[in-house]
Amino acid sequence: NAGVTQTPKFQVLKTGQSMTLQCAQDMNHNSMYWYRQDPGMGLRLIYYSASEGTTDKGEVPNGYNVSRLNKREFSLRLESAAPSQTSVYFCASSEGAGHQPQHFGDGTRLSIL
Amino acid sequence: RKEVEQDPGPFNVPEGATVAFNCTYSNSASQSFFWYRQDCRKEPKLLMSVYSSGNEDGRFTAQLNRASQYISLLIRDSKLSDSATYLCVVNSRSSSASKIIFGSGTRLSIRP
Repeated sequence: NAGVTQTPKFQVLKTGQSMTLQCAQDMNHNSMYWYRQDPGMGLRLIYYSASEGTTDKGEVPNGYNVSRLNKREFSLRLESAAPSQTSVYFCASSEGAGHQPQHFGDGTRLSIL
Repeated sequence: RKEVEQDPGPFNVPEGATVAFNCTYSNSASQSFFWYRQDCRKEPKLLMSVYSSGNEDGRFTAQLNRASQYISLLIRDSKLSDSATYLCVVNSRSSSASKIIFGSGTRLSIRP
């Protein structure tokens, strides 16, 4: 059982480059989320998708865009990477928005030089 | 004031001890509560939900105090494998969106 799969696991970018983080879940969950985790801070919600076809901003959406491609996939795009976006990014899914436990992917460790 | 606050620790306790830590939240409208466990450089994993009446899962007991706006996690007979960071999660719905807040975590280290 794969659960939530994130790719890539590691990435180094230069300032100004763009990239897309991919996330897929095989649990038929309705809701998906993107978080970032920085040292000494909790996970902060970037964007979420309560259901297929909808996306909403979380706590820290600036500098990011998302696409809920279908029920399984939810991607996060950095259009012009900045050093402040160096972080560990986690994708998660749950049966329903917010009120259900979330299942996390392994994370993507992203460094912006 | 942060919306969800946890003592970062570390809590360093001997194997077999009982340890407890709290998580306070500021939004009285918060509706659901969870404890997650996160091992070093790994993803968070759900440890247990927290119900209004309190709940127990083996050596772990979670409680909710709505009046004082905190949740707690008690670990009895601690094991070396309990060493991890424990994250509390609080969710409150605004009129148009869910709002999920993670605490920054309490680090627990169990020594032999």
